[in-house]
Amino acid sequence: AQRVTQPEKLLSVFKGAPVELKCNYSYSGSPELFWYVQYSRQRLQLLLRHISRESIKGFTADLNKGETSFHLKKPFAQEEDSAMYYCALSGHGGGATNKLIFGTGTLLAVQP
Amino acid sequence: EAQVTQNPRYLITVTGKKLTVTCSQNMNHEYMSWYRQDPGLGLRQIYYSMNVEVTDKGDVPEGYKVSRKEKRNFPLILESPSPNQTSLYFCASSFGQGAYEQYFGPGTRLTVT
Repeated sequence: AQRVTQPEKLLSVFKGAPVELKCNYSYSGSPELFWYVQYSRQRLQLLLRHISRESIKGFTADLNKGETSFHLKKPFAQEEDSAMYYCALSGHGGGATNKLIFGTGTLLAVQP
Repeated sequence: EAQVTQNPRYLITVTGKKLTVTCSQNMNHEYMSWYRQDPGLGLRQIYYSMNVEVTDKGDVPEGYKVSRKEKRNFPLILESPSPNQTSLYFCASSFGQGAYEQYFGPGTRLTVT
């Protein structure tokens, strides 16, 4: 079964510290992985996806098929990074691409 | 401005009283979807639509109905709401027939008493 696990409900770090938001997935085929972010009083929006291999706002995420992980990383946290982060998975090919499975989310709190 | 709109934003209703939450997008997106967000459970997909007159169940479709008569609109219908449907609901849309980058609406907070 498709599943996305975000083990941490809350991650609190100090400004300038490295950040790693964990995401593990379960999927039998080739998944598409995404990170979505929801800032306070804003809409949920796409942060990045693994196929684009780009860095957005200093965040990167590498798909590790061996460990079935897609952890989100940033070397130096900023206060404006404080938000709710969701990891999400979609299948690849055919009807599997039409569903998007979200994890339960991790609230990142960056302390000054 | 390209966006997804939902109405109403807040709704308090009673058990059994039919209601509709509207969703509209102005980006000519083919794919639209409804999610509910509950504490500790994240976002769960209720229904999605790949195009006009094409809809399918997500992970939690029980108690909900949808329709897609026009490309821009994707209303969520609760025929007989129950308290366990109290939640925050999000509509989303994306270009193309796939769950790729989705654009989310502002959310509708529904309380069923």
